[in-house]
Amino acid sequence: KAGVTQTPRYLIKTRGQQVTLSCSPISGHRSVSWYQQTPGQGLQFLFEYFSETQRNKGNFPGRFSGRQFSNSRSEMNVSTLELGDSALYLCASSLAPDVNEKLFFGSGTQLSVL
Amino acid sequence: GEDVEQSLFLSVREGDSSVINCTYTDSSSTYLYWYKQEPGAGLQLLTYIFSNMDMKQDQRLTVLLNKKDKHLSLRIADTQTGDSAIYFCAENGGSTLGRLYFGRGTQLTVWP
Repeated sequence: KAGVTQTPRYLIKTRGQQVTLSCSPISGHRSVSWYQQTPGQGLQFLFEYFSETQRNKGNFPGRFSGRQFSNSRSEMNVSTLELGDSALYLCASSLAPDVNEKLFFGSGTQLSVL
Repeated sequence: GEDVEQSLFLSVREGDSSVINCTYTDSSSTYLYWYKQEPGAGLQLLTYIFSNMDMKQDQRLTVLLNKKDKHLSLRIADTQTGDSAIYFCAENGGSTLGRLYFGRGTQLTVWP
């Protein structure tokens, strides 16, 4: 069974640009979550989608958005990039809904903002 | 479910046991997890424990949970150099909806 696939693996952008990251969950998984990982802040939750609906959202500005498609694939978008957006963006999928939500993570997209 | 604390570093010799500790604050957490992250990779789910359990063993891994003290530990028996990685403790804060609360991670270094 293929794992969670994130593309692209690396991305370099300049301030003010926008970026779209893609995530394909494990087959059969319907929930997709996004996390930002930085050395300073650690792992921070961005948002979660299930059946094309955002069910949960972390404390990030509106520049960070996402969506989920009918095949459960998800994208996240960051507009007007700032230097502080440089991070590893991790996507996770789970079967959901369940109290024991085992999240399975992809390898991430390393975003560098210059 | 926002305060999960871990020590930042642990060094052990190959063949010894490693014990990584974690404390959390949310008593409503129903599941607690251990994830492993190797350089340049995502997080790998190692194991998890339900909050009404005290212990869970899975091959070389033993998880101990003291719910009263909100203390979780991960013991790795016969630690190998391939176990060198960052280990994250996480809890679900009683609900899920895709959100786990992670500690800052413990960098485990295994010396040959």
